[in-house]
Amino acid sequence: EVQLVQSGAEVKKPGESLKISCKGSGYSFTSYWIGWVRQMPGKGLEWMGIIYPGDSDTRYSPSFQGQVTISADKSISTAYLQWSSLKASDTAMYYCARGEGEAAAGDYWGQGTLVTVSS
Amino acid sequence: SYVLTQPPSVSVAPGQTARITCGGNNIGSKSVHWYQQKPGQAPVLVVYDDSDRPSGIPERFSGSNSGNTATLTISRVEAGDEADYYCQVWDSSSDYVFGTGTKVTVL
Repeated sequence: EVQLVQSGAEVKKPGESLKISCKGSGYSFTSYWIGWVRQMPGKGLEWMGIIYPGDSDTRYSPSFQGQVTISADKSISTAYLQWSSLKASDTAMYYCARGEGEAAAGDYWGQGTLVTVSS
Repeated sequence: SYVLTQPPSVSVAPGQTARITCGGNNIGSKSVHWYQQKPGQAPVLVVYDDSDRPSGIPERFSGSNSGNTATLTISRVEAGDEADYYCQVWDSSSDYVFGTGTKVTVL
């Protein structure tokens, strides 16, 4: 069974760093991309970026370039999304999704990680 | 960057047909994917590559794409179809892009 399991909810203060994870199982992790999606409270889905774990090729949406870092450790089938200095505006639900090939749909999604940034 | 526009809301009576549009410049030349998101849940893929359905998705969900508009059609609407729906495409200049989202209300 294909699964993407994300790390648990986080509560952080502005300026703190954070790394959340997305662990894939039930499939060949290096054969599918992992994408990250932000959903701010009461808002729509926003594409953040993508990583191809097989070669670590990573691309960011212009809105998120320089704001986050996407990485992956294929030895443990896990992708990451990290911030070096959180802002209150980073408060959101973050989802990971997998897809096979460029332009492919995200066919499996993680359950989401809620990040709350508040002083 | 590439922009996808959806109507904010669509209302439909049970048993009727709901049509959700997704507008974009020459979207007919791209592959469109559609996701359903119910409150408090992760998105679920309901249509991919314009008109294909993943296993487990009812035949009531269908898609089409031509010109500047893609459409998700939900036939014989049920109360359980009430959700937010998002279209998505891949564009060479923008990478992946989501539509603005449409809230489907079953009357």
